[in-house]
Amino acid sequence: GAGVSQSPSNKVTEKGKDVELRCDPISGHTALYWYRQSLGQGLEFLIYFQGNSAPDKSGLPSDRFSAERTGGSVSTLTIQRTQQEDSAVYLCASSLTLGERNEQYFGPGTRLTVT
Amino acid sequence: AQSVAQPEDQVNVAEGNPLTVKCTYSVSGNPYLFWYVQYPNRGLQFLLKYITGDNLVKGSYGFEAEFNKSQTSFHLKKPSALVSDSALYFCAVRATYGNNRLAFGKGNQVVVIP
Repeated sequence: GAGVSQSPSNKVTEKGKDVELRCDPISGHTALYWYRQSLGQGLEFLIYFQGNSAPDKSGLPSDRFSAERTGGSVSTLTIQRTQQEDSAVYLCASSLTLGERNEQYFGPGTRLTVT
Repeated sequence: AQSVAQPEDQVNVAEGNPLTVKCTYSVSGNPYLFWYVQYPNRGLQFLLKYITGDNLVKGSYGFEAEFNKSQTSFHLKKPSALVSDSALYFCAVRATYGNNRLAFGKGNQVVVIP
């Protein structure tokens, strides 16, 4: 079946502009996660959604970052007033539920470059 | 909070030789442990996981990992490395209770030399 998809695959934006990154999880997966991968920094947790529960936003680095998940499916990560330090690969993942046993399936990522 | 250490930035191994990628973890209570692999310009792919039961876990592409509770380790192994195994490998841990975050290590670059 189809995996997790993300768009765009690459995004170049000017400092100060807003960007929106999209994630389509695997159909039927109720949990959705966003991570940021910076060179040499590993994966940094940003936010997760589980069904209709309130999302865990504790990993968002600043109030310029926000995310929504509409209809329990597609998610959008928004970065306002982008800064050069926001440049990274943004990865989305989904899992069947939020249960600890369930592995996460990752999308190919969106590479964001802020100039 | 849970955390993972992958002490080596890069692991070089000759093709056909055994491959080991080290991982140690810290978590309250019992851990759920995962290994993921990332090929160039691709997302992370799930390799294997330890939940409970046998300490030796077998996964995709001939990889296996051994859970060692006393050493808080979950090293990834492959008996005979292939050039195609060259990639970035991430270890991750999750607590059995408490917050639902999956904590990742910084990753190990594996280079298999022909």
